[in-house]
Amino acid sequence: EAQVTQNPRYLITVTGKKLTVTCSQNMNHEYMSWYRQDPGLGLRQIYYSMNVEVTDKGDVPEGYKVSRKEKRNFPLILESPSPNQTSLYFCASSLRLPRGELFFGEGSRLTVL
Amino acid sequence: AQKITQTQPGMFVQEKEAVTLDCTYDTSDQSYGLFWYKQPSSGEMIFLIYQGSYDEQNATEGRYSLNFQKARKSANLVISASQLGDSAMYFCAMREVSYSGAGSYQLTFGKGTKLSVIP
Repeated sequence: EAQVTQNPRYLITVTGKKLTVTCSQNMNHEYMSWYRQDPGLGLRQIYYSMNVEVTDKGDVPEGYKVSRKEKRNFPLILESPSPNQTSLYFCASSLRLPRGELFFGEGSRLTVL
Repeated sequence: AQKITQTQPGMFVQEKEAVTLDCTYDTSDQSYGLFWYKQPSSGEMIFLIYQGSYDEQNATEGRYSLNFQKARKSANLVISASQLGDSAMYFCAMREVSYSGAGSYQLTFGKGTKLSVIP
């Protein structure tokens, strides 16, 4: 089954404790992206990747890191989480085509205390 | 300036009626794509419909159609014969395609419209 898998789905952590949210897709998509969703703000892009070893900042990259060492994986790293990073995070992937629809993971709800 | 504007934070529609969700966009690119996604209360993002900037016909997918008015830069979603299961958040998104350098396939989302279908 074609899918984007994120882990963990739910996480409560404390300020400053490094965490990684993993994302894996099995559709051989070149393009992958991370979004955060906050009430009233819609989805805002954090980072995206056009292909292996090619990543770039989205609209809200501060406080986040990413890597793309393999085509299928695109982890999101929070080196020192802060409460303002409490959010719902989505990983998504697509073919590198204008018509390529984004396939989304199920979302990861992160709470930073 | 926002690239995607959804002016209706919330809307109500009677079951079996049609409803239009508004979306306007801002781009100077000639080549771009417009998407609509649905997010039910369970949280997943569901792709509904796509319209390319060069597509001459308005896109349709079952009960969903996209009213594309290029000169006005609007891409409204029309849902016909609303059902209770249509109650959800709806997001309009745009992909601007830039062929310079590595190319850009970023998808920018609006803030969404919450649709409630009334029995």
